[in-house]
Amino acid sequence: GEDVEQSLFLSVREGDSSVINCTYTDSSSTYLYWYKQEPGAGLQLLTYIFSNMDMKQDQRLTVLLNKKDKHLSLRIADTQTGDSAIYFCAESIMNDKIIFGKGTRLHILP
Amino acid sequence: ETGVTQSPTHLIKTRGQQVTLRCSSQSGHNTVSWYQQALGQGPQFIFQYYREEENGRGNFPPRFSGLQFPNYSSELNVNALELDDSALYLCASSLVGEGETQYFGPGTRLLVL
Repeated sequence: GEDVEQSLFLSVREGDSSVINCTYTDSSSTYLYWYKQEPGAGLQLLTYIFSNMDMKQDQRLTVLLNKKDKHLSLRIADTQTGDSAIYFCAESIMNDKIIFGKGTRLHILP
Repeated sequence: ETGVTQSPTHLIKTRGQQVTLRCSSQSGHNTVSWYQQALGQGPQFIFQYYREEENGRGNFPPRFSGLQFPNYSSELNVNALELDDSALYLCASSLVGEGETQYFGPGTRLLVL
């Protein structure tokens, strides 16, 4: 089956690291993604990882993939107020169809 | 700036009406996918178009249909609108086989009364 699960809320203090976790079910995933959505806006592709990689770092963002456990995480270092948004974990399967989780709302505490 | 544009930005319709939403792909992209995002949910795949033909479909009824034009722009048509069709409709463009390059437009927010 096709399913992506992630926790719905996360609160983090400004300056701390945020870690958003996700699990997926389809072992044939090609790519795994993290998208960011701010209120009233579309989806912004933050980063992606190919399914045969286990880590990808891009400035403040670190993606970890555990393919055996079908677990994906996104770490945001030095979290800022501008990072407040909903973060969607997603996987791509056949024909570039993307399956999304329900999103994790990241709240930044002062 | 993704280069994917959608129109209109907002739309209000009544039950039973028909609606057409439009999407212009990012330059160089030949594939368009449409997603429905209900309030508080993640986007759900409706269908994808490549070379003007449907190239995969999600769990949506036939009253959801689409078109892709030679310039790779696309339309999503929904007939016999229902209240549950109220959502943000997102289109994404990509190059076929290059899933990492799927970029989304800002969406059209549809309200069905």
